[in-house]
Amino acid sequence: DAGVIQSPRHEVTEMGQEVTLRCKPISGHNSLFWYRQTMMRGLELLIYFNNNVPIDDSGMPEDRFSAKMPNASFSTLKIQPSEPRDSAVYFCASSFAQASTDTQYFGPGTRLTVL
Amino acid sequence: KNQVEQSPQSLIILEGKNCTLQCNYTVSPFSNLRWYKQDTGRGPVSLTIMTFSENTKSNGRYTATLDADTKQSSLHITASQLSDSASYICVVSASYGKLTFGQGTILTVHP
Repeated sequence: DAGVIQSPRHEVTEMGQEVTLRCKPISGHNSLFWYRQTMMRGLELLIYFNNNVPIDDSGMPEDRFSAKMPNASFSTLKIQPSEPRDSAVYFCASSFAQASTDTQYFGPGTRLTVL
Repeated sequence: KNQVEQSPQSLIILEGKNCTLQCNYTVSPFSNLRWYKQDTGRGPVSLTIMTFSENTKSNGRYTATLDADTKQSSLHITASQLSDSASYICVVSASYGKLTFGQGTILTVHP
């Protein structure tokens, strides 16, 4: 299995532009998670899906952020408009089930820089 | 407020030496505690997970302990190797599913 796939690996954009991050979870996994990691705040859970349905989006910082999971093999995290403070590494992770005891497998991350 | 505090923030040791990383938490009600290893430029990888009834769990040279009474956990690394250089993150799950992350300990192993 290729593991969790994220694209792009690096993204540099200007303030105000729309940014879309993509994730393909491990085949057969039913839960998908989006995280953000910065030096200041560490790792933060933004949102997670179970069976393509958003379960908890309380970590989404504001309305500029949105996430979708149109099918079991694809999810997007969109930032519109982007701001410099959104610069971070965004990780996608998937697990077989929703239980917190299930191991989450992380992708390589997307490093976003907003100028 | 749920919090996870890790110490030390960073640690430098020589190859072959042992070390212990600490994690204190105030998450309630407690469900489980997980240690992750994150290599530079990569996503975190789960090392161990412990529930309330478990107080020790090993994964190769990594041994995690949990004291649910004092709300403390430690990760002990035996006979360190250069490849152990990474950030180690403690994550505590509440029973209702909320995850609380520690800031991590950056471990550097020198030859």
